[in-house]
Order: sequence, then C-alpha cells, then structure tokens
Amino acid sequence: DIQMTQSPSSLSASVGDRVTITCRASQSIRSYLNWYQQTPGKAPKLLIYTASSLQSGVPSRFSGSGFGTDFTLTISTLQPEDFATYYCQQSYNTPRTFGQGTKVEIQ
Amino acid sequence: QVQLQESGPGLVKPSQTLSLTCTVSGDSISNGAYYWTWIRQHPGKGLEWVGYIYDSGSTYYSPSLKSRLTISIATSKNQFSLTLTSLTAADTAVYYCARARHSGDYEDYWGQGTLVTVSS
Repeated sequence: DIQMTQSPSSLSASVGDRVTITCRASQSIRSYLNWYQQTPGKAPKLLIYTASSLQSGVPSRFSGSGFGTDFTLTISTLQPEDFATYYCQQSYNTPRTFGQGTKVEIQ
Repeated sequence: QVQLQESGPGLVKPSQTLSLTCTVSGDSISNGAYYWTWIRQHPGKGLEWVGYIYDSGSTYYSPSLKSRLTISIATSKNQFSLTLTSLTAADTAVYYCARARHSGDYEDYWGQGTLVTVSS
C-alpha cells in the first residue's frame, strides 16, 4: 500500500494567515493526489483533484501543487469557514489511501 | 444536483452482518463516467477507503476487509450496497458512500454518512 504522510498534524492560525499543508507519498503517485476538507459532523468535501485542479465552486484561495511524492495545499488568506481538517488522498492505485489529516485550528 | 444517501441499521451486534445501501439521485448509476465508492471513518479518526464498484459490477476492495466485504450494484434502483460480515467493535464507524470520476479518480460527491455501532 502507498503510505501518505501529512504535516503538520495540526496547526493554529489566524484569519487572514497563509496556511500550507504538505503531503508526502511513500512512492511516486504522479499527479494522482486529491485534497478534501472536513468539518465536524460533515462529509468530506473535495477541494483539489489531480494535485492542482480546483474543484468547481471551491474558492480560489485554495490551491494545490506537487508531483511525484511531494504535494502542498495552500490557503492564501484563511477565512473563518476554513477551520477544519484537511486530508490528502492518493488515487494512483488501489487500495486508495489517505493521509492522517491536518487539523487547522483558530489561534 | 447529484445526491447520495446512505441507509441501514445504526446498531448491529458483534458477529452479525452489516448491510448498507446508497441511493443515488440526480445522476444515473449506469453513467460510465463514474464509479461508486464506500469510505469509512472510525470515531475521531481519519478516513479509510473500503472499496468501489463500477456499473459493470467489477469491484476493488481494501485488502484488510476483502475476506468480509461485498459491494454490489442495482442499476435498476440506482443504488449500490455494502455488505460486511463477522462484525466486531472495530467496524464501528461512520460509513460514507461517494461518486468517483474515472477521469482523475477522485470522489466529487459524498453522502452525509451513517454511523454504524457494533455492540451487544
């Protein structure tokens, strides 16, 4: 199985901050990397697919980059509704695997 | 608007079998552009991919669940289902169904999730 490792596991930030979350795969997954946002009690929501494509309806302050094994999710200007847990997922092969999550908390 | 809705028991006894159904609306489950996924989340934990099914009936399962898992599809009802046997407390989780796109392989629509508790 491909292991996905996110860092940090949690972070504290303020509204208006720029936030970066990284995701590393245990082997090359090319661009088959997706990012999801989850708020408590809700289903995950797709933000970014194939590493850098913004899902329709997702604000442009979210962006993704990377290829191979190292990927980044950036929130350019953190908004109150962005406090949530973020997961990366590889879809290069099965079994699909997720990172352990990064919780973004209010500082 | 595509919607997915999970249904099934909220409480199941250990050693019994769990059956969940996902009803899809706003799209045909036979749409060849998509496949249909189950993902679960243990309480307070991260996401765990369970498996998926194509409209053809082909399936891919998590190796850790493969011996106990069956995913099936009922195109006439626009539904797909999960059956998990020999339940233990470790199967207590929120179970999500989702639609995944072939092109890019990502889950773009999710159900709200259903909590399944395994307890006597």
